[in-house]
Amino acid sequence: EAGVVQSPRYKIIEKKQPVAFWCNPISGHNTLYWYLQNLGQGPELLIRYENEEAVDDSQLPKDRFSAERLKGVDSTLKIQPAELGDSAVYLCASSLGRVGQETQYFGPGTRLLVL
Amino acid sequence: LAKTTQPISMDSYEGQEVNITCSHNNIATNDYITWYQQFPSQGPRFIIQGYKTKVTNEVASLFIPADRKSSTLSLPRVSLSDTAVYYCLVGELPGSARQLTFGSGTQLTVLP
Repeated sequence: EAGVVQSPRYKIIEKKQPVAFWCNPISGHNTLYWYLQNLGQGPELLIRYENEEAVDDSQLPKDRFSAERLKGVDSTLKIQPAELGDSAVYLCASSLGRVGQETQYFGPGTRLLVL
Repeated sequence: LAKTTQPISMDSYEGQEVNITCSHNNIATNDYITWYQQFPSQGPRFIIQGYKTKVTNEVASLFIPADRKSSTLSLPRVSLSDTAVYYCLVGELPGSARQLTFGSGTQLTVLP
């Protein structure tokens, strides 16, 4: 069974440029998460989707970050414009979203460097 | 959200048993305890989850005392490949507004 797929794996951009990350969750997983991970720290939740609905986006900086999960499958996270402080690893995870089956499966992440 | 406290780092030798303790003093009644493992350049990977007493799987054991204010991840006979960051998380299952929160984790280094 394929795991969570993310692309690109690496991205280098200049500040003020836009950037987008793509995530394909495990087939059948209703819940999708986007996390941000800074060096030496644990992942921080940005947004959680239940199917196509964003049920928790309280930590998403909405002035420059946006996300969508059309049709409740793939998801895209966008930053526009990017700032130097956005350099980090962006992780996508998915889970079945049912009580007792909430284990999150993570993708390899996209490492973003903003110059 | 229930906050967790773990040691920043631990060293061990191959073949030894490693115990990593996590403190979560304000754990709520509905909270579960979950441990993840993360290797460099990879996303975290689920290890084990429990609510109380002891849980064991093919990878690790999780010990949770009666007051649930702490938990201990036990890795039997570690190898070099167990070198990773281990995260303790406390949170409710889906359907609640509460979310799992990752702390800074424990960097485990297994030495030959």
